[in-house]
Amino acid sequence: GESVGLHLPTLSVQEGDNSIINCAYSNSASDYFIWYKQESGKGPQFIIDIRSNMDKRQGQRVTVLLNKTVKHLSLQIAATQPGDSAVYFCAEKETSGSRLTFGEGTQLTVNP
Amino acid sequence: DGGITQSPKYLFRKEGQNVTLSCEQNLNHDAMYWYRQDPGQGLRLIYYSQIVNDFQKGDIAEGYSVSREKKESFPLTVTSAQKNPTAFYLCASKAGTGWNTEAFFGQGTRLTVV
Repeated sequence: GESVGLHLPTLSVQEGDNSIINCAYSNSASDYFIWYKQESGKGPQFIIDIRSNMDKRQGQRVTVLLNKTVKHLSLQIAATQPGDSAVYFCAEKETSGSRLTFGEGTQLTVNP
Repeated sequence: DGGITQSPKYLFRKEGQNVTLSCEQNLNHDAMYWYRQDPGQGLRLIYYSQIVNDFQKGDIAEGYSVSREKKESFPLTVTSAQKNPTAFYLCASKAGTGWNTEAFFGQGTRLTVV
């Protein structure tokens, strides 16, 4: 399944499917991007990050893709599990300073 | 164990009162942040600090104030000027301005105006 970020804040997938969560950013001065996972009532947890001089980075079951031309970031989760159900946020950091700005978030629901 | 701690977890405030939310970190991080999260919505930046004795307004600073007298502490005061303070407040810290320095979050404070 795939979300379109700001225009579709919820994504529902079947267990075992791959998920794609999208994020559009607007600040061309951003040089560092992070994906966070937030479970209900808790603070966000780091998943994976990517620097602007990269276009792909892989972690365990997760891959982040960065397209600077269209200012688009995506998080791919392989073999989605019920424990992956949460809200996923992208965050961006400006080249200068440490201001960290978050996107709207996407609620991922994994159906058994 | 190193980490970032917010207190209290739940806070109730009467209208017209100021309240202060605590955020402490023992990670030796330079940068600290305060975010507000409303139900079903993303995180909005209230204030952030890159170094002790310095802080900058975020996107929704009106009605809030902060101080950064110590590296490990970044308290947020929600003043009576904040028209709709009921929300989930998240504090974060980050090692510096470089990349590959992820922000660590506390578990949040849920503020309710009664």
